[in-house]
Amino acid sequence: DIQMTQSPSTLSASVGDRVTITCRASQSIRSWVAWYQHKPGKAPKLLIYKASILESGVPSTFSGSGSGTEFTLTISSLQPDDFATYFCQLYNTYPYIFGQGTKLEIK
Amino acid sequence: QVQLVQSGAEVKEPGASLRVSCKTSGHTFTGDYIHWLRQAPGQGLEWMGWMNPNSGGTNFAQKFQGWVTLTRDTSISTAYMELSRLTSDDTAVYYCASSSCSGGDCPGYMDVWGQGTTVTVSS
Repeated sequence: DIQMTQSPSTLSASVGDRVTITCRASQSIRSWVAWYQHKPGKAPKLLIYKASILESGVPSTFSGSGSGTEFTLTISSLQPDDFATYFCQLYNTYPYIFGQGTKLEIK
Repeated sequence: QVQLVQSGAEVKEPGASLRVSCKTSGHTFTGDYIHWLRQAPGQGLEWMGWMNPNSGGTNFAQKFQGWVTLTRDTSISTAYMELSRLTSDDTAVYYCASSSCSGGDCPGYMDVWGQGTTVTVSS
């Protein structure tokens, strides 16, 4: 199976900061990556699919980039509502694989 | 607006079976795939498999083949996940999630998720 490594596992930042989260695949997966936001007790929320396409209704402060083996999720200016856990997913082949998650905390 | 509402928390004894339901609304139930995933305490998400509610066809991660059953009742727009021979390792939050299909193309990402069902396996 393809391995997915997500980093960092925890990220401390302040409102207004720009942050980046990275997922690296053990082999090329082209652009078949999605990113999600998850808050405790809530349903996960799709943010980005196909590496860089913003899901409808997601603020433009979120962006995704990358192809092949390295992918990034960037939040250009953190808002209070953005503090949550973020995880990536590869979906080019079965089984679908998820990153371990990045917990974004308030500094 | 598509919504997925899952059944409530469960406590099961080792060796028992589990059934979690996922009632959908706001879309054509037979038009979208339903995925099942789980997240054990302190672990990442694990994809278990998907079901095509139109045909009943399924696809499982190898780990879950022969062990997980996915069914549906189209009359009430509800999908079910059954897991047998539970052990403490199956303690997790279980999620259903949908992938919107278009023109027969069903992407592998999940655009709407249920709220999760907490399952505890303990004697």
